[in-house]
Amino acid sequence: QQQVKQSPQSLIVQKGGIPIINCAYENTAFDYFPWYQQFPGKGPALLIAIRPDVSEKKEGRFTISFNKSAKQFSLHIMDSQPGDSATYFCAASDWSGGSNYKLTFGKGTLLTVNP
Amino acid sequence: GAGVSQTPSNKVTEKGKYVELRCDPISGHTALYWYRQSLGQGPEFLIYFQGTGAADDSGLPNDRFFAVRPEGSVSTLKIQRTERGDSAVYLCASSPSRTGAGLFFGEGSRLTVL
Repeated sequence: QQQVKQSPQSLIVQKGGIPIINCAYENTAFDYFPWYQQFPGKGPALLIAIRPDVSEKKEGRFTISFNKSAKQFSLHIMDSQPGDSATYFCAASDWSGGSNYKLTFGKGTLLTVNP
Repeated sequence: GAGVSQTPSNKVTEKGKYVELRCDPISGHTALYWYRQSLGQGPEFLIYFQGTGAADDSGLPNDRFFAVRPEGSVSTLKIQRTERGDSAVYLCASSPSRTGAGLFFGEGSRLTVL
């Protein structure tokens, strides 16, 4: 059972474009939603995370939008750059229940930003 | 080093063999985690250590998998009687505490079982 569904599987944008990656979750106990960025041969690195007490969080060029009623959240990358080309993973966990470390990841989105 | 260090970076073994994968967390991080990432998938949780004890091993797929952290720092993931389906990248992560701001992942150990 895939508890976090991520789309699209891959995405190509031009430099300066705004790629959007979407995730949907099923487990209503999830209340911590981080996004990780992974370059080839490297481990995932935390980009930005949100808890459900807010509907949007922005850090630099990265913004998370969160819709609790729809059980969906998305990542927007403003003014995308070729250096943003990587695989992006959404994840979710049960923070309030003490299992924030037990992340359930989506399958990832391979983003390519063309110069 | 500044980050999580994992060795070996690559391991090729034959079906049925025993393997050990090592993780050296960021200095001072009390929490340590093992995840497994299969090709084209996101990482999957295996086990969480707080200090020396395994606080949550619910992600270990079966009793062929075992992990230790005897002194509360370095951890070893042990896989007995390896199977081809065990082939994956094994990722280690650490954090200052269980409720720390995110997990810091290493680069992983790629295991290939022939």
